Amino acid sequence: KAGVTQTPRYLIKTRGQQVTLSCSPISGHRSVSWYQQTPGQGLQFLFEYFSETQRNKGNFPGRFSGRQFSNSRSEMNVSTLELGDSALYLCASSSGQSSYNEQFFGPGTRLTVL
Amino acid sequence: AQKITQTQPGMFVQEKEAVTLDCTYDTSDQSYGLFWYKQPSSGEMIFLIYQGSYDEQNATEGRYSLNFQKARKSANLVISASQLGDSAMYFCAMRERGANSKLTFGKGITLSVRP
Repeated sequence: KAGVTQTPRYLIKTRGQQVTLSCSPISGHRSVSWYQQTPGQGLQFLFEYFSETQRNKGNFPGRFSGRQFSNSRSEMNVSTLELGDSALYLCASSSGQSSYNEQFFGPGTRLTVL
Repeated sequence: AQKITQTQPGMFVQEKEAVTLDCTYDTSDQSYGLFWYKQPSSGEMIFLIYQGSYDEQNATEGRYSLNFQKARKSANLVISASQLGDSAMYFCAMRERGANSKLTFGKGITLSVRP
């Protein structure tokens, strides 16, 4: 079974631009969660989607948004990029049937904002 | 609000020895799940082990075991027979019951295995 895939793996943008990151979950998984990881703040939850609906949201500004498609693939968008948005963005999938289903992570997208 | 605390500084262990990575948590819920993840330098988070709050037995997965002490709200990860490939960051995480709950991570612990 293929794991979680994320594209692109690396991205360099400049302040003010916008970016879209993509995540394809493990086949059969309906839940996709997004996390931001920085050295200073650690791993922070962005949002979770389940069956195309946002089920939970972290404390991030409205510049961070996401969506999930009918095939469970998910995209995350960050508009008006700031230097502080430089981070590793991790996507995780789970079956979503229970809060306790383990989440399987992708390799991440490393975003650098110049 | 749920909280995970990992306060150990970088940990070092000799190859083939056992090591314990500490994790304490805080929650007002009676029902929750505890997870440990490993993150090598490549960046990918690898699921290691899960413990439910109502599980009576400590979880084990191969060389990994979880020392779960509910009254102390601790969920320490024990790695037996350490290998060089175990060198990585280790994260403890918790999720309370409910569809709207989220997985909350600790700050992580760096483990270095010495040959």
